[in-house]
Amino acid sequence: EVQLVESGGGLVQPGRSLKLSCAASGFTFSNYYMAWVRQAPTKGLEWVASITNSGGSTYYRDSVKGRFTISRDNAKSTLYLQMDSLRSEDTATYYCTRSGGYNPHWFAYWGQGTLVTVSS
Amino acid sequence: DVVMTQTPVSLSVSLGGQVSISCRSSQSLVHNNGNTYLSWYLQKPGQSPQLLIYKVSNRFSGISDRFSGSGSGTDFTLKISRVEPDDLGVYYCGQGTQYPLTFGSGTKLEIK
Repeated sequence: EVQLVESGGGLVQPGRSLKLSCAASGFTFSNYYMAWVRQAPTKGLEWVASITNSGGSTYYRDSVKGRFTISRDNAKSTLYLQMDSLRSEDTATYYCTRSGGYNPHWFAYWGQGTLVTVSS
Repeated sequence: DVVMTQTPVSLSVSLGGQVSISCRSSQSLVHNNGNTYLSWYLQKPGQSPQLLIYKVSNRFSGISDRFSGSGSGTDFTLKISRVEPDDLGVYYCGQGTQYPLTFGSGTKLEIK
């Protein structure tokens, strides 16, 4: 059974940093693209960043480029999201997702999410 | 960026009925490889989103055949037949053809 378990969320002040982790199990982690998708309170879904199966390439939405870094440790089957210079508009539940097939084009599995609140 | 426009914003249906949700993209979703990467997700109340349909019309593992997807280019439809209580929630379409990956704003399904 595919499982994605996020951790690391919490309350953080604007301008500070936070690092999210996603522990994956139930599949061969190194075979799949992974991504972070977020959802602000009462809002819709917003893709944040993706990473290739090897970790060799990464992709970001413009609003987080230069502030967020997606990475992975295939030996530990873990996905990360380093979030720096956090803003109030980054407040959201962050979902770890696994791609469908060996490509990045849809989100086949989702974690339970971890809430990040940016506020002073 | 590809803008995904979903209609209606909300709809109410009787149990056993049928509904259709429309999703239109601002650009063609046909990828260079010939595939069309349009997917549908359902977020039930208090839960994470779940994948229903990928590549326009392919049902994901374990998804009932009451859910069907169709369309091409820029116009897509999700149909739900024989609506059940467990179908309530917010439905999102999403495109995976080009970065940034984008979603529609959602359609809330309520049961009468």
